[in-house]
Amino acid sequence: GAGVSQSPRYKVAKRGQDVALRCDPISGHVSLFWYQQALGQGPEFLTYFQNEAQLDKSGLPSDRFFAERPEGSVSTLKIQRTQQEDSAVYLCASSLGQMNEKLFFGSGTQLSVL
Amino acid sequence: DAKTTQPPSMDCAEGRAANLPCNHSTISGNEYVYWYRQIHSQGPQYIIHGLKNNETNEMASLIITEDRKSSTLILPHATLRDTAVYYCIVRDYNQGGKLIFGQGTELSVKP
Repeated sequence: GAGVSQSPRYKVAKRGQDVALRCDPISGHVSLFWYQQALGQGPEFLTYFQNEAQLDKSGLPSDRFFAERPEGSVSTLKIQRTQQEDSAVYLCASSLGQMNEKLFFGSGTQLSVL
Repeated sequence: DAKTTQPPSMDCAEGRAANLPCNHSTISGNEYVYWYRQIHSQGPQYIIHGLKNNETNEMASLIITEDRKSSTLILPHATLRDTAVYYCIVRDYNQGGKLIFGQGTELSVKP
């Protein structure tokens, strides 16, 4: 299908390891959002891109978290020196970017840090 | 912080209408009300949104009170596949249009 694709679907990391999570948005979508969802909680906003520009990174919990979207399409969320509290589902969403356009979400990457 | 309040859980009989309430007493004039749902192990799915008029689509109806301080999502004939967490979200385009999720309502549709 032509939905938002995230990979890997599951990731197990040892504490201290670096991880990279990939998001392929819907083709032509200008806006891209990353969310973190802990077990039993609603998704929490991490960061937002408009094309390649990162316009809002207010939700990134620490400087270990870094996101990029160099060509304005695929995005990568990188977590350095992972810790157990980073265990969560990481969701990516995209939209056309116009006012009032709905966000389409991927199925997420479930990260488990042991 | 989320600007909405929802009951944590609700039950509904299969085939009956499910009415999910949401309070958003601090909503501003340019803020839309969005509803998403999340089925286990999937990403959130868009349902419907509105500003001040009632809205209907193939999935649901959205009723917004005249003062816009609350709204109700109506699933007219709930099925077992409608079992999910339903999120009511006030979207502020001054903040780049990001969605701020609350805890949502866990709807259980029972046979």
